[in-house]
Amino acid sequence: DAMVIQNPRYQVTQFGKPVTLSCSQTLNHNVMYWYQQKSSQAPKLLFHYYDKDFNNEADTPDNFQSRRPNTSFCFLDIRSPGLGDAAMYLCATSREGTGLGEAFFGQGTRLTVV
Amino acid sequence: KQEVTQIPAALSVPEGENLVLNCSFTDSAIYNLQWFRQDPGKGLTSLLLIQSSQREQTSGRLNASLDKSSGRSTLYIAASQPGDSATYLCAADTNAGKSTFGDGTTLTVKP
Repeated sequence: DAMVIQNPRYQVTQFGKPVTLSCSQTLNHNVMYWYQQKSSQAPKLLFHYYDKDFNNEADTPDNFQSRRPNTSFCFLDIRSPGLGDAAMYLCATSREGTGLGEAFFGQGTRLTVV
Repeated sequence: KQEVTQIPAALSVPEGENLVLNCSFTDSAIYNLQWFRQDPGKGLTSLLLIQSSQREQTSGRLNASLDKSSGRSTLYIAASQPGDSATYLCAADTNAGKSTFGDGTTLTVKP
C-alpha cells in the first residue's frame, strides 16, 4: 500500500496560473519534504516541515510556498508558474530531522507549464 | 557547501555482470549516506542507508560501502538483471540536517 501519496500524478497549468500540488502520508512521520527535480538532474530541496516548523531553503524562489495543515498532509503552492518551473515535484517523509534519514518518497507530480 | 558527484552518468552492461557505481562527496562531515533507485517518471525508492559510523550495508544483491575519509561511497550490484535498469542516486546527509543528491547514474542492463 502506498504510504506517501501525491496528487495528481500529472498536472498541466497555464503560464502564471496558480497551481497546488498535494501530498499525504500514512506513516505519521514528523518531517515532510518537497523536492524539485528537473530532467536528468539531482532532486533539489525546496523546503521541509519538522512538525509545524517550516524551513525554507535560501535559494527557493518566493514563487513557491507550502502549507502543512496537519501531520498527514502537505501542499506545494506555486503562485505564478513560469516555464522554468516545469519539473517533477517529489514529496518525501522521514521520522527524523537530521538529513533525510530513512526517507519514503511519493511517486511525484510531473508539472507541465503551457 | 556539500557537493555530490556520481560517475559514470550512464552505464550499459550485459545481464549477469557485476558492476560498481561511484559516489563522491566533498564534505566528510556526513550523518548518513543513502542510495536510491528511480525508475523513469517515478519517485525515489530507498535502497541502502549507511550511517556515518558504518562501513557498509548489504541487501540481497546490493552492497554499499562508505569511506568518509576519502569522501567516497560505492554501490555494488551483483549478477545484474534487466530489472535493475534504472537511475541510481546517492544522497549525503550532513550533520546540519541538509541532504545533497548527486545527479545519478542511469544503468541499462541488456538481456
